Order: sequence, then C-alpha cells, then structure tokens
Amino acid sequence: DGGITQSPKYLFRKEGQNVTLSCEQNLNHDAMYWYRQDPGQGLRLIYYSQIVNDFQKGDIAEGYSVSREKKESFPLTVTSAQKNPTAFYLCASSPSSPGHTNYGYTFGSGTRLTVV
Amino acid sequence: GNSVTQMEGPVTLSEEAFLTINCTYTATGYPSLFWYVQYPGEGLQLLLKATKADDKGSNKGFEATYRKETTSFHLEKGSVQVSDSAVYFCALSPYNFNKFYFGSGTKLNVKP
Repeated sequence: DGGITQSPKYLFRKEGQNVTLSCEQNLNHDAMYWYRQDPGQGLRLIYYSQIVNDFQKGDIAEGYSVSREKKESFPLTVTSAQKNPTAFYLCASSPSSPGHTNYGYTFGSGTRLTVV
Repeated sequence: GNSVTQMEGPVTLSEEAFLTINCTYTATGYPSLFWYVQYPGEGLQLLLKATKADDKGSNKGFEATYRKETTSFHLEKGSVQVSDSAVYFCALSPYNFNKFYFGSGTKLNVKP
C-alpha cells in the first residue's frame, strides 16, 4: 500500500546537536511538506518542495534545513540554531499539478522530537 | 490573505450527542475546504472535503457543507461515539496553489 513513512517515531536530541528526521513516500507525489505541531496548537509550515531539487521556506524555517534529491524523500534537519525544537513533526505529500489541490494532503504518522 | 478560524476546545459530549464544530475561513478566490482528524500520537487523516460552494463532504457519519455566503465549513455528526474522540482540524487550500492553511484544531472528548 502506498503511503508516507516517517522515522524515527521518537527522537531525543542533546543541546547543540543537529538531528535529521526522515520522510519517505511511495505515492509518486510531486510535492512534499514539513509541519511542526506544538501541544494544543495548530500546524505551522516549515518547508515545502514542489519538485526535486527545489524547495521553499514556510512560515517558520529558521533553524531548519531540508533537501530534495529524490522525489520519494524529503529529510528535515533540525539544527542547533533552532532554539526550541521540542515538538511533533509531521511530513505530508500531495500531487503538485495545477488543479490537483482538491486531493488534499497525505500525512505521515509523525516524529516526536525531545531535547534532553 | 488566507486563514482558518475554528472554535476553541475542548468540546466534551456524551455518547450519541449531536456534534457541531464551527469553522470559518478567509480566502482569495475559490478554495477547497477540508476537515482532518488526528488521533493521539498519530498524523492527520483526511476526514472529508468540498471543492466548490454548496458541496457537501461526508464520511463516517460526519458532514460539512461549503457555504460561500457565510465563508463557513462547519463539521457535524448526528450521534458521536467514544471512538470519535480526537482533534479535528479545518483547512483550506487556495485554488491552483498547493499550500494548506490549517485552523488551530478542536479537541473532542466523548464520554460513555
């Protein structure tokens, strides 16, 4: 079955470390997204990518970096510059062609990152 | 600009009660509208959607009607179950642009 796989499910980071969250999809979707969710809050867009080798900053990109070397993969690196990284991170994908926005996103099951 | 406003939670109901979760939006053009559900510790799942005015999305007993005149997309269910306890997110996607705008989410607690 097609879907999005995020790993790991739980991740612990020490102060000053960079960590990378994995996101892989086999849906053949062009567009991929990273969101951050804090307790009791909505989703905030970190980065998104419409095609391979191209990505754009979302609303809260500072302290994060991404790459899109393959259509299936969109890893997110949380750098030491991100001052408050403890959150639930969600990856999503969707078809990217104009007129396909009504399909909606498919989400992964999330990665919970905790700074220790 | 584009934005979504949802009623604040938590909403606590007894089993078999009627549910309404309000959602209003601001958008340029003609967006598509969505409701997503998030169970504890999981990602979001698409619950239902509507792509044009007066469309009604429905799934698993939940319904929402796209009301352009009131810019609303309220979620309803006639008889909730304990298993419906989750966080519900309203979202919009502007036409021809692949970016979503989410509301802040409404937590629903259903008691037996």
